[in-house]
Amino acid sequence: DVKVTQSSRYLVKRTGEKVFLECVQDMDHENMFWYRQDPGLGLRLIYFSYDVKMKEKGDIPEGYSVSREKKERFSLILESASTNQTSMYLCASSPTSTGELFFGEGSRLTVL
Amino acid sequence: AQKVTQAQTEISVVEKEDVTLDCVYETRDTTYYLFWYKQPPSGELVFLIRRNSFDEQNEISGRYSWNFQKSTSSFNFTITASQVVDSAVYFCALREAGGTSYGKLTFGQGTILTVHP
Repeated sequence: DVKVTQSSRYLVKRTGEKVFLECVQDMDHENMFWYRQDPGLGLRLIYFSYDVKMKEKGDIPEGYSVSREKKERFSLILESASTNQTSMYLCASSPTSTGELFFGEGSRLTVL
Repeated sequence: AQKVTQAQTEISVVEKEDVTLDCVYETRDTTYYLFWYKQPPSGELVFLIRRNSFDEQNEISGRYSWNFQKSTSSFNFTITASQVVDSAVYFCALREAGGTSYGKLTFGQGTILTVHP
């Protein structure tokens, strides 16, 4: 069964803290994605990666960075968390062949 | 630029009613893919269907059916005889087939469906 696992379901951080969100997939997919989900705005793409060590900005990359050192792992980093980054963060992976995204359960981040 | 619009923010129905969720998209590509995802209260998005731009045949899967019309750039989703378990947020999404897209999807805003017993 396909699986995308996000390390934390719920996190509470303080403004200015560095935050790491980890995502691991076991399907050997080439592509991995980080989206954030906010009410009324749907899902917006932050960053994606199509290969190890490769990354591309999505629609809202400001305030975020990513790391992909291994094919199965894609990390989202908030260098200095701010309250407007309070959101649900969703990781996904997909094979290049079909483009169908497989999602993790999400990480709900609250920045105080 | 590509765009997906789900004009219905929230829909509330009573069990056994039929309900249609609207999706309108914009793209300049001639080759593209359309998707529907379901997000139940647990939070994980579940893939429902993928349709490519060359296949305008409607599809039925149990109580679910999809109507794809290129002429109106719409990809609507109908649930027949709705059930409480259908309560979820439903997202429509678009993927362009261009070489640099790497499979990234553009999502609509989502429609919250509540089915009352």
